[in-house]
Amino acid sequence: AQSVTQPDIHITVSEGASLELRCNYSYGATPYLFWYVQSPGQGLQLLLKYFSGDTLVQGIKGFEAEFKRSQSSFNLRKPSVHWSDAAEYFCAVSDSWGKLQFGAGTQVVVTP
Amino acid sequence: GAGVSQSPSNKVTEKGKDVELRCDPISGHTALYWYRQSLGQGLEFLIYFQGNSAPDKSGLPSDRFSAERTGGSVSTLTIQRTQQEDSAVYLCASSLAGGGRTTYNEQFFGPGTRLTVL
Repeated sequence: AQSVTQPDIHITVSEGASLELRCNYSYGATPYLFWYVQSPGQGLQLLLKYFSGDTLVQGIKGFEAEFKRSQSSFNLRKPSVHWSDAAEYFCAVSDSWGKLQFGAGTQVVVTP
Repeated sequence: GAGVSQSPSNKVTEKGKDVELRCDPISGHTALYWYRQSLGQGLEFLIYFQGNSAPDKSGLPSDRFSAERTGGSVSTLTIQRTQQEDSAVYLCASSLAGGGRTTYNEQFFGPGTRLTVL
């Protein structure tokens, strides 16, 4: 069965510092992977997705993620965090219907 | 509007009552998904519609939960005899087409309905 693990429940980062959020997946076939962001009181917004091809994927808001099959990982990165990046981030894997299975989420707090 | 809309935004009900939650997907989107977000269980898939059919209902937690979609558009999620463990935010998403293997699978999420069962 497919599963997604986000090992970090909570991360605190200083504004301007780099950010990396970890995601590990378990999936029988080639995974289709997503990162979503949920800001307080807002709906889920897609940051980026990986279907195939280049393993380094660029997304919106300056985020990127790297797919590493050997490590079953799809970590999200941003070189310099802004206060507006404070939110909860979800990694997800999709099945053939498009059904998303989400990780537990990582809450990101940005300090001045 | 351009996005997915859900109503009501908040619903407070008493244990044992039935509730209906509505989702209006983006016009032209054939695929529609319901998810539930709760403190204990995180984000969980409930049901998937392609058109008016539901090929995947595997996430519905019990037979108290049902959903329908009419005209390939609006969907209603019904919870009968609500229990306190049903308290959660119910999210609806739509996409241009179903299937995770196409570039059209971006799911656009609505703001959710917060259900509180007293």
